[in-house]
Amino acid sequence: GEDVEQSLFLSVREGDSSVINCTYTDSSSTYLYWYKQEPGAGLQLLTYIFSNMDMKQDQRLTVLLNKKDKHLSLRIADTQTGDSAIYFCAERRPGGATNKLIFGTGTLLAVQP
Amino acid sequence: NAGVTQTPKFQVLKTGQSMTLQCAQDMNHEYMSWYRQDPGMGLRLIHYSVGAGITDQGEVPNGYNVSRSTTEDFPLRLLSAAPSQTSVYFCASRNQGVYGYTFGSGTRLTVV
Repeated sequence: GEDVEQSLFLSVREGDSSVINCTYTDSSSTYLYWYKQEPGAGLQLLTYIFSNMDMKQDQRLTVLLNKKDKHLSLRIADTQTGDSAIYFCAERRPGGATNKLIFGTGTLLAVQP
Repeated sequence: NAGVTQTPKFQVLKTGQSMTLQCAQDMNHEYMSWYRQDPGMGLRLIHYSVGAGITDQGEVPNGYNVSRSTTEDFPLRLLSAAPSQTSVYFCASRNQGVYGYTFGSGTRLTVV
């Protein structure tokens, strides 16, 4: 199918780790992305991973990629109230439409103080 | 400031009216895209362009037209607005070799 799937909601306490999961659809997708959207704002690129990598770490963010299962996750260490937002995963599909960036439904992360 | 500029930020239309959502970028990016965002459905690709004079359809193109006469501008036209087009619209751009897209701040459109 065409859908990139994410769970809709995640609630964590401040200081805990958050793990947001995503299942994508095209095993030949070249790049996979995580975007953050704060209320009333556009999307901000958080991090990306190239499809030949298993893991990427960037400060508090860790991205894990399981190509076999087409599963992508974003771990946020020491989650802060400022991390409360909607998080979207996205895959860049190859082929003639290399411009195609297909988004998941988004996961609302709520951080409780 | 460099970036992707969308205008207007808010718009209310009556059913059947037409309008154009503007998108401009000053980063000399080749690729530009239009997405719509609806609750529980993420962002869906409407149309995209890989360079001036070249456009193609995305996942949900019906009811929308685009053109790309310059590298900087990528307007989205609604010829006859329908309530189903009530949404938040985002324009995004990137350059070849740039890994991620830069998004505009969005246009919130309501069709009554």
